Amino acid sequence: QKEVEQNSGPLSVPEGAIASLNCTYSDRGSQSFFWYRQYSGKSPELIMSIYSNGDKEDGRFTAQLNKASQYVSLLIRDSQPSDSATYLCAALSGGYQKVTFGTGTKLQVIP
Amino acid sequence: KAGVTQTPRYLIKTRGQQVTLSCSPISGHRSVSWYQQTPGQGLQFLFEYFSETQRNKGNFPGRFSGRQFSNSRSEMNVSTLELGDSALYLCASSFGDTTGELFFGEGSRLTVL
Repeated sequence: QKEVEQNSGPLSVPEGAIASLNCTYSDRGSQSFFWYRQYSGKSPELIMSIYSNGDKEDGRFTAQLNKASQYVSLLIRDSQPSDSATYLCAALSGGYQKVTFGTGTKLQVIP
Repeated sequence: KAGVTQTPRYLIKTRGQQVTLSCSPISGHRSVSWYQQTPGQGLQFLFEYFSETQRNKGNFPGRFSGRQFSNSRSEMNVSTLELGDSALYLCASSFGDTTGELFFGEGSRLTVL
């Protein structure tokens, strides 16, 4: 069982819709969670961090964390074609800076 | 502020050779992590260094090694290359001690023939 699991997609949504990306994790000791975005041929870039249960909003992005269910999600409102990328869910586990990544969900926003 | 710099960007090696990859972190960042990215496995954690000390190591064979210098620059080495080592090797730096917020370089794409 992978430590961080995501549906590989692709997830296709029309422009202007809400994209919902989901992730589960197995290590209950994980305390910090992240969403990274990776455009094709580029390196990952951090877009959201979440540390406590509940929602965290940043512009069009909302990260949600439920530690009891070991579930993390990312909502992208008013999706744009420029949001088309692979979204990587990650968890800080194993101490220090060991960040474990899921395999990513590919999002396609259709104009 | 300059980002994370990785060299070389592309390299081709043959089986049995060794390779050294270099990473210069963002100025002021003391933590450097290395990841291997392949289409099938995604991002796999190799190791993490902080103040010249390896603090974490992933599940890779001993052929994969690394080090960090006093100026926080880091190198990783892969000896006795195998075809399966073909991948994008990403370096990431972080300012804090345990933030998990990583800033990635553009990567070194290694092809083993």
